Amino acid sequence: DGGITQSPKYLFRKEGQNVTLSCEQNLNHDAMYWYRQDPGQGLRLIYYSQIVNDFQKGDIAEGYSVSREKKESFPLTVTSAQKNPTAFYLCASSLQNPGQVYNEQFFGPGTRLTVL
Amino acid sequence: AQKVTQAQTEISVVEKEDVTLDCVYETRDTTYYLFWYKQPPSGELVFLIRRNSFDEQNEISGRYSWNFQKSTSSFNFTITASQVVDSAVYFCALSSGYSTLTFGKGTMLLVSP
Repeated sequence: DGGITQSPKYLFRKEGQNVTLSCEQNLNHDAMYWYRQDPGQGLRLIYYSQIVNDFQKGDIAEGYSVSREKKESFPLTVTSAQKNPTAFYLCASSLQNPGQVYNEQFFGPGTRLTVL
Repeated sequence: AQKVTQAQTEISVVEKEDVTLDCVYETRDTTYYLFWYKQPPSGELVFLIRRNSFDEQNEISGRYSWNFQKSTSSFNFTITASQVVDSAVYFCALSSGYSTLTFGKGTMLLVSP
């Protein structure tokens, strides 16, 4: 089945540790995204990538890093510089059609990160 | 800059009631897309609909319907004869120009039996 997988579902981290969240898609989508969701808040964009080996900062990129070495993979690293990392993290992907403004994003099941 | 406002934080209804979720957006672009997503308790966002700014036709899909009005910059979502399985957080989102999606803060819908 085509879709987006995120692992792990739950993640616990000690303060001061870096942690990497996995996101893989087999939809052959060009663009991938990382969002953060806090209780009662909408989704806020952390980073996005429209093509392999290229990515852009979103609204809240500080304390996070990403890589896009393969089309199907877009891992997110939450560094120790992120002051409030406890949140729900969602990965998404979409097609990028030339000349079309925007395609719908499809989301993974999310990773809930808790800093102890 | 673009903005999406979902003024209703939480709505509670009893099964079989109709319910409308409001969405008001702001953008300076003439070409834009509007979306609705559903987030059930499991957490994964489920795409419901995409509408572009040139198509003001209302759409109906089963018990779901959407009312797009450019004059009031609104894209409201109505669920007819609500069911317990409709309980979720619903997000409205906007993309204009070549920018990424801007989400509203969501409306939590609680449908009780």
